[in-house]
Amino acid sequence: GQQVMQIPQYQHVQEGEDFTTYCNSSTTLSNIQWYKQRPGGHPVFLIQLVKSGEVKKQKRLTFQFGEAKKNSSLHITATQTTDVGTYFCAGPLSGDMRFGAGTRLTVKP
Amino acid sequence: EAQVTQNPRYLITVTGKKLTVTCSQNMNHEYMSWYRQDPGLGLRQIYYSMNVEVTDKGDVPEGYKVSRKEKRNFPLILESPSPNQTSLYFCASSRLAAYEEQYFGPGTRLTVT
Repeated sequence: GQQVMQIPQYQHVQEGEDFTTYCNSSTTLSNIQWYKQRPGGHPVFLIQLVKSGEVKKQKRLTFQFGEAKKNSSLHITATQTTDVGTYFCAGPLSGDMRFGAGTRLTVKP
Repeated sequence: EAQVTQNPRYLITVTGKKLTVTCSQNMNHEYMSWYRQDPGLGLRQIYYSMNVEVTDKGDVPEGYKVSRKEKRNFPLILESPSPNQTSLYFCASSRLAAYEEQYFGPGTRLTVT
């Protein structure tokens, strides 16, 4: 079936290092959303990308939507301990919302 | 304060005992949905509702029921829970549709023995 795949599943970095998570869809997406879930918390919306090739920035976070609208990435520059959590991408597929499995980020101080 | 609330937050029950998890939002959102979260699988959508009296199956609807009699409430019903429904459940809402920003509730951790 139609899926949203996300890699890597885990990423452990030293504070100050960069981090990237990648999201791929089996079909073209009308839009893609990114969420962050802190340990023990609930997903919180970060951003939505709609246009082909779109790039958006939020402070140290950079989000990209691929030209074919089938892939996306989230890049964090100079990670901080506050960035710890699981990052999910999500897109509408087959009438419902499909989430990637998430990338769990841990940051060593 | 704009929020999505769920109750209970934690529930331990036995196989076959019917249960309901309530979900309520105070943002006058049209769209509401239920997800389950399992390790390594991310969030999977169970059911969603575009409006009052309109519900549709998500990716994993088997074993669940929902209703949307009022705009603000969207309860999740497990008629005969089984151990494979042990999971973390989230209710979410958005203004009009899934492709908009979704607001999640705090989650309900369900254990079925």
